[in-house]
This record gives sequence, C-alpha cells and structure tokens, in this order.
Amino acid sequence: DAMVIQNPRYQVTQFGKPVTLSCSQTLNHNVMYWYQQKSSQAPKLLFHYYDKDFNNEADTPDNFQSRRPNTSFCFLDIRSPGLGDAAMYLCATSRAGQGIEQYFGPGTRLTVT
Amino acid sequence: AQSVTQPDIHITVSEGASLELRCNYSYGATPYLFWYVQSPGQGLQLLLKYFSGDTLVQGIKGFEAEFKRSQSSFNLRKPSVHWSDAAEYFCAVGAWMNRDDKIIFGKGTRLHILP
Repeated sequence: DAMVIQNPRYQVTQFGKPVTLSCSQTLNHNVMYWYQQKSSQAPKLLFHYYDKDFNNEADTPDNFQSRRPNTSFCFLDIRSPGLGDAAMYLCATSRAGQGIEQYFGPGTRLTVT
Repeated sequence: AQSVTQPDIHITVSEGASLELRCNYSYGATPYLFWYVQSPGQGLQLLLKYFSGDTLVQGIKGFEAEFKRSQSSFNLRKPSVHWSDAAEYFCAVGAWMNRDDKIIFGKGTRLHILP
C-alpha cells in the first residue's frame, strides 16, 4: 500500500544533542510537510517542501532544519534539542493543488532527557 | 485570516448513542474543509472532506459532515458510536496561498465513549 513512513517511531535524545527524524513516502507526492504536535494540541506546521522549494513558517525556530534529498525522503534535523522540543513530530504529504488533502505518517515521539 | 474553532474540548457519549462534533470556520472564500481523526500515539487519518457540491459529505467509518455556509459550520456526525471511535478529532480548513496549500487545524475535540 502507498503510504507515509516515519522512522523511528520513538526517539530519545539528550539535551543539546542533535537528532534527525526521517520521513519517506511511496505516494509520489511533490509536497511534504513537517508538523510538531504537543500533548493535547493541534499539529503546528514547521515547514514544507514544494518539490525542492523549502518554505519555512515564520515562527519556526532556527533550531529546526529540514532536508529533502529526493521526492521520496524528507528529514527533520533538530540541531540542539531543548526540553521544550519534546513532542510528536508528524510528516505529511500531498499532491500540489488547491484543496488537496494531506496524508500523514504515524509520527515520531521525541523525548529529550 | 483563516481559522477553525472547535468549541468542545471533550465530549463523552455512550456506546451506541449518536454523536455530533461541532466545527466553525472563518475563511474569506469558499473553504475546503476536512475532518481528521487521531488515535492515541498515531498520526492523523482523513475521515472526510468537502470541496464543493453536495453539502452533506459521507466519510469513512460511518461518519458524515454537513457544510452550512450560512452558519460557517462543518459539523461531524455519526448515528451510533462504537468504543473504537474514542479518539481526538480535528476539523481543518485548507488555506490556498499562492501555489501552496496549507491546512489550518482546530484545537481538536477528544471523544470519550462510555460502555
């Protein structure tokens, strides 16, 4: 089945130690999104790629970076995780176009110790 | 600016009872509206979507939603809930900005099911 895959599902990192989260998709969608979701809150968009074009949300901290080496893969890098970065990180994809729904991966739960 | 309001943070219903989750949106043009469901520790799954046409939309798992332009609402309904419906439900509006389509989520409604 075509899908969005996130690895790992659970990640524990130390305060200040860089961490990378991975997302891959078999849907061949040209738009990929990264969201941060804290407990009992709505997902918050961090940034997205339209093909190779990177679009950062205005309030996304510089501590968060992303890479998209090809259509299928997208990475979220947290350069110096703080305790406040502990959250669920969701990757989503969509075809470009108006009103097109997003398909979400299962998420990576990040714990910062 | 586009926004979505889900006035109920928590809803509790008995298994077998009917359900309605409320959603109001603010959008300047014809909105694209979605309902997503999230089970604990999981990603979001699309239940249904409204783009145009028939204002009563059927989705997966027996859910439906009705778009009411006059009330700026897109309420989610199910005639008889099952224990497996316990989850977080997010209403969302698609915001078209240049060539980028973003989704703006409401804060969610957590559904609890009583046996």
